[in-house]
Amino acid sequence: AQKITQTQPGMFVQEKEAVTLDCTYDTSDQSYGLFWYKQPSSGEMIFLIYQGSYDEQNATEGRYSLNFQKARKSANLVISASQLGDSAMYFCAMREYHKAAGNKLTFGGGTRVLVKP
Amino acid sequence: EADIYQTPRYLVIGTGKKITLECSQTMGHDKMYWYQQDPGMELHLIHYSYGVNSTEKGDLSSESTVSRIRTEHFPLTLESARPSHTSQYLCASVGTGTYEQYFGPGTRLTVT
Repeated sequence: AQKITQTQPGMFVQEKEAVTLDCTYDTSDQSYGLFWYKQPSSGEMIFLIYQGSYDEQNATEGRYSLNFQKARKSANLVISASQLGDSAMYFCAMREYHKAAGNKLTFGGGTRVLVKP
Repeated sequence: EADIYQTPRYLVIGTGKKITLECSQTMGHDKMYWYQQDPGMELHLIHYSYGVNSTEKGDLSSESTVSRIRTEHFPLTLESARPSHTSQYLCASVGTGTYEQYFGPGTRLTVT
């Protein structure tokens, strides 16, 4: 079974509008974390936002917010007031602790966002 | 701002050549990782290290090898490159007491 599922392979969004990127996860751990990363066409991975499983408040970082619904095992990213520079691939990732290996990240398949002027 | 560097950024090389992809970080992070990513696809962990002289294989089997002789340096080596090794390779590191992985800019490898 997929640990991280991003069901939207690609989407268009109008400049200045908000967009929600879906992410569902699968884990039996009580302690874990969810990340969102942005990958522009240049290839680097840019950290956007992090939510720990015990965090009661939804994480926010500027125009990014994470809609964390623990019971539904979803961690959707909301980008408000989209800008042309937001056009990129977006990856959801989950941190799990492994006894031998420590914390490891598992990535979803990504969602490509294209912001239209 | 994370200081993690990868060289080269782009590499086109013929089949059978030995290559080493460099990754260095100046943050003193103990934990370092190598990921492989095909275009438009998810990242797969291929190697990680929790400190000097510690290296482990990741979730995706890889013919590459790594070494960690110094904290700041985590090179990846392919003894004999093949076209199936064509991919992007991303290096990352994590500091103590935090979960965020800082990524380098990546190396795009093409084996002809």
